[in-house]
Amino acid sequence: NAGVTQTPKFQVLKTGQSMTLQCAQDMNHEYMSWYRQDPGMGLRLIHYSVGAGITDQGEVPNGYNVSRSTTEDFPLRLLSAAPSQTSVYFCASSWDRAGGELFFGEGSRLTVL
Amino acid sequence: EDQVTQSPEALRLQEGESSSLNCSYTVSGLRGLFWYRQDPGKGPEFLFTLYSAGEEKEKERLKATLTKKESFLHITAPKPEDSATYLCAVQPNSGGYQKVTFGTGTKLQVIP
Repeated sequence: NAGVTQTPKFQVLKTGQSMTLQCAQDMNHEYMSWYRQDPGMGLRLIHYSVGAGITDQGEVPNGYNVSRSTTEDFPLRLLSAAPSQTSVYFCASSWDRAGGELFFGEGSRLTVL
Repeated sequence: EDQVTQSPEALRLQEGESSSLNCSYTVSGLRGLFWYRQDPGKGPEFLFTLYSAGEEKEKERLKATLTKKESFLHITAPKPEDSATYLCAVQPNSGGYQKVTFGTGTKLQVIP
């Protein structure tokens, strides 16, 4: 019963490098999303998807890219990492496409030097 | 713009010492107010959803209540394992998850 699985848990990048944060869920949830959590700020939505083939921008989408080719997977791509992207990233999913409780992964801590 | 303010930022309690955490909110029509628990190094874990003023929900030592302007998370006779950061979030009627606003949380420490 894995729930929402994120990899890697920790990553250090140099400015300008690219990478992909992986997210997979085994609950057959239609809704998936990515948040970032920074000290002194609430969770902020980066991108979200209401089903395979459908993605949309959240509050802070710049510098990030997503795709949703399957129900299970929702990777987050950093195109050219910047120090401002140093953060903890959480993937979340839900059975309800319209709103409600979210199931979060354990997080990926990213440091950009 | 929807806003969520949680207080206090941090709370230290002795084991067994009951207290309440506050979540004040402004939203243009409330669809739902959510409480999550977050342990260090982990993702938030869902606790409760409240939909309308006067509603209450309970889980073990936790009870969440809702008014038109704020929600309280009451912790009765807390234990050290209740130590965590508690997050509050609101979702307006006008939008889906993209409209959910999270607070910055209250960090609770329960001392044996």
